[in-house]
Amino acid sequence: KAGVTQTPRYLIKTRGQQVTLSCSPISGHRSVSWYQQTPGQGLQFLFEYFSETQRNKGNFPGRFSGRQFSNSRSEMNVSTLELGDSALYLCASSPSPGQINQPQHFGDGTRLSIL
Amino acid sequence: SQQGEEDPQALSIQEGENATMNCSYKTSINNLQWYRQNSGRGLVHLILIRSNEREKHSGRLRVTLDTSKKSSSLLITASRAADTASYFCATDGGYSSASKIIFGSGTRLSIRP
Repeated sequence: KAGVTQTPRYLIKTRGQQVTLSCSPISGHRSVSWYQQTPGQGLQFLFEYFSETQRNKGNFPGRFSGRQFSNSRSEMNVSTLELGDSALYLCASSPSPGQINQPQHFGDGTRLSIL
Repeated sequence: SQQGEEDPQALSIQEGENATMNCSYKTSINNLQWYRQNSGRGLVHLILIRSNEREKHSGRLRVTLDTSKKSSSLLITASRAADTASYFCATDGGYSSASKIIFGSGTRLSIRP
């Protein structure tokens, strides 16, 4: 079974631009969660999608958004990029919603650098 | 502040020794998980322990949970070079299945050959 696939692996953008990151979950997994990992703030939850609906959301500004498609693939978008958005963005999937009730399967992330 | 806080922040031991990492949290929980992250990679799930369990084993891993002290520990026995990684605990707010997962700051484990 293929794992969680995130594309691209690396991305360089400049301040003010926007970016879209993609995540393909493990086949059969319908829940997708997104996380931001930085040296200063650690791992922080962004949002969780299940059946194309946002089920849960972390404490991030509205510049961070996401969506999930009918095939469970998910995208997250960050608009008006700021230097502080430089981070490793991780996606995780699970068969059903509820991140703490079951193992999360993570992709290797997208490393986003803002210049 | 973080729900889960790992201790120590960094740990360096000789190959073959045991490694113990601790996680403390503030509010009651439903479940607690431990994850491993190798440098530049995603997280790998290790163990999930429920609030009504006190101890779980998986191979060389042993996790304990003390809900009265709001703490958990991860023991890795007979460490190997491949165990070099960061280890994170993850908890919830204990309210419902919709509770948001919260990761601790992690313990960086280095295994010396």
